[in-house]
Amino acid sequence: DAKTTQPNSMESNEEEPVHLPCNHSTISGTDYIHWYRQLPSQGPEYVIHGLTSNVNNRMASLAIAEDRKSSTLILHRATLRDAAVYYCIRSVGADGLTFGKGTHLIIQP
Amino acid sequence: DVKVTQSSRYLVKRTGEKVFLECVQDMDHENMFWYRQDPGLGLRLIYFSYDVKMKEKGDIPEGYSVSREKKERFSLILESASTNQTSMYLCASLGDGFNQPQHFGDGTRLSIL
Repeated sequence: DAKTTQPNSMESNEEEPVHLPCNHSTISGTDYIHWYRQLPSQGPEYVIHGLTSNVNNRMASLAIAEDRKSSTLILHRATLRDAAVYYCIRSVGADGLTFGKGTHLIIQP
Repeated sequence: DVKVTQSSRYLVKRTGEKVFLECVQDMDHENMFWYRQDPGLGLRLIYFSYDVKMKEKGDIPEGYSVSREKKERFSLILESASTNQTSMYLCASLGDGFNQPQHFGDGTRLSIL
């Protein structure tokens, strides 16, 4: 049970921002939100993670709702290379990760 | 950057064979994991290890064993391969520190005939 809910697929145009939503309404106070993505024929790749406040790195931004029941991964300017399956995951400690089905992001040129 | 290397990208074996999948990481991480990924089922945790010679069962350990003789290497063993073990196998490592990200290899696509 991934305990997160994401849309099955989303479509965006190249060079436009993309907002990928995730609901995690049963999240506990110590759960971090992690985002990974998986390109075809590759292993999952870490994108970003956070606990309470918004986070930015070279790949993306993560906006976490004040009540922590949802979050949004933001790709500021999508490229064709961003086409992948994006997974939103609750993570605590050193246990294995539980991946749901993720969001299949399609980028149109 | 962390590098997790899986020994084979593609592997074809026969039913009943003993199969070894190897994984090496270069960042001195304590924690290592083996997952399998199947269409419609997502990633499922098979085994993990938080130290040399230590191992813990994941969600689907049946039919598998693991070996962690050195910190950098974590091996997955299919004792007697069966066709339902045809899958994509993914290895990951995780360093110390609360809630650090896992780093994955590119996977081994294993076919059991």
